[in-house]
Amino acid sequence: AQKVTQAQTEISVVEKEDVTLDCVYETRDTTYYLFWYKQPPSGELVFLIRRNSFDEQNEISGRYSWNFQKSTSSFNFTITASQVVDSAVYFCALGRRPNTGNQFYFGTGTSLTVIP
Amino acid sequence: NAGVTQTPKFRILKIGQSMTLQCTQDMNHNYMYWYRQDPGMGLKLIYYSVGAGITDKGEVPNGYNVSRSTTEDFPLRLELAAPSQTSVYFCASSYPGQNQPQHFGDGTRLSIL
Repeated sequence: AQKVTQAQTEISVVEKEDVTLDCVYETRDTTYYLFWYKQPPSGELVFLIRRNSFDEQNEISGRYSWNFQKSTSSFNFTITASQVVDSAVYFCALGRRPNTGNQFYFGTGTSLTVIP
Repeated sequence: NAGVTQTPKFRILKIGQSMTLQCTQDMNHNYMYWYRQDPGMGLKLIYYSVGAGITDKGEVPNGYNVSRSTTEDFPLRLELAAPSQTSVYFCASSYPGQNQPQHFGDGTRLSIL
């Protein structure tokens, strides 16, 4: 069975602090993809990053960085020097391809509040 | 580009009523999806489609129906609305390929009273 766990339900940080959002996944597939989405208060879902199961290189994009570790089945997301605009719900998702279609399994999300 | 467009944005239904949530995309994506998001929960897949004329059930299909007559449109039908269907509904689309991100609409907030 596929499962994504985001154990942190809510996090509050003061502006300019660093924050890490945890994501742990379960799958028996050998090929899979991991994604992070941001859902700001306005409600839309914004794609942030994808990572395939064969690429464990960490990635950095501006203040965002992602750490993928297959050994611990984790795909954690770090925001450096957080800003108020980072306040949102962040979802981690596991993508797999069964016989047809691309099925995503979402975690329950982590609500991040950045306090000015 | 409009991307994925959902209508309506908000709707209140009475128990037992029916309605169709509309979804259209202009990115020529083959794959389309319907999710529901309950408070404090992640998104659950209701139905998906890999192309016109082809649909399949996701994790939580009961109480819903879909059709896909064109590449652009993927409406979701609620036949007999129940309070348990109160949720935010998201439509998404993507290119084929396991590595393709799904692009989401802005959601439809539906309340069944």
